[in-house]
Amino acid sequence: GAVVSQHPSWVICKSGTSVKIECRSLDFQATTMFWYRQFPKQSLMLMATSNEGSKATYEQGVEKDKFLINHASLTLSTLTVTSAHPEDSSFYICSARTSGSQFFGPGTRLTVL
Amino acid sequence: GESVGLHLPTLSVQEGDNSIINCAYSNSASDYFIWYKQESGKGPQFIIDIRSNMDKRQGQRVTVLLNKTVKHLSLQIAATQPGDSAVYFCAEMRNSGYALNFGKGTSLLVTP
Repeated sequence: GAVVSQHPSWVICKSGTSVKIECRSLDFQATTMFWYRQFPKQSLMLMATSNEGSKATYEQGVEKDKFLINHASLTLSTLTVTSAHPEDSSFYICSARTSGSQFFGPGTRLTVL
Repeated sequence: GESVGLHLPTLSVQEGDNSIINCAYSNSASDYFIWYKQESGKGPQFIIDIRSNMDKRQGQRVTVLLNKTVKHLSLQIAATQPGDSAVYFCAEMRNSGYALNFGKGTSLLVTP
């Protein structure tokens, strides 16, 4: 079946530093990848839609200069949280779309001290 | 904005009983719905989906019902097992772009 991986699975960083999270589709090519954020005991909220070779489309209220998304190939999208602050601590989950189906990664737990 | 929501935030059932998780949606134009299971610290896992041209779809131990008249869908789990304990989300696919709007989630706890 289609597998999506994320790296790292968890990261702890100091306030003000930048963190990069990778999302890979391991056995299929994904023209579209999505980034979601999930705070404790809450639902998944879409942050942005990432299409290979083009700029990401951000949801209202999501700062594009803070959450940099790069989708350089059909199997890799990266999310960089720049100048992270404690309020950015969350569970970041990506998904990849192919042939009408969407597959989710295992998530990355970010903790900003 | 339009959104997808859930009636019950928590549900506790005994092992072997049937579980019913409900979800209400507000976008009458939505035509594709999905139920996901999320275990603690993991990503969502696909359970079952349904398109708006259907009112019922069955899988292994799970059934999804869609009532377009009242914009409501439900997930039924037969003979609930301890491994079914998780948070369940309904999601609707946006009419454009294929992104998903998730409901608030229901925590299902299966007791022995």
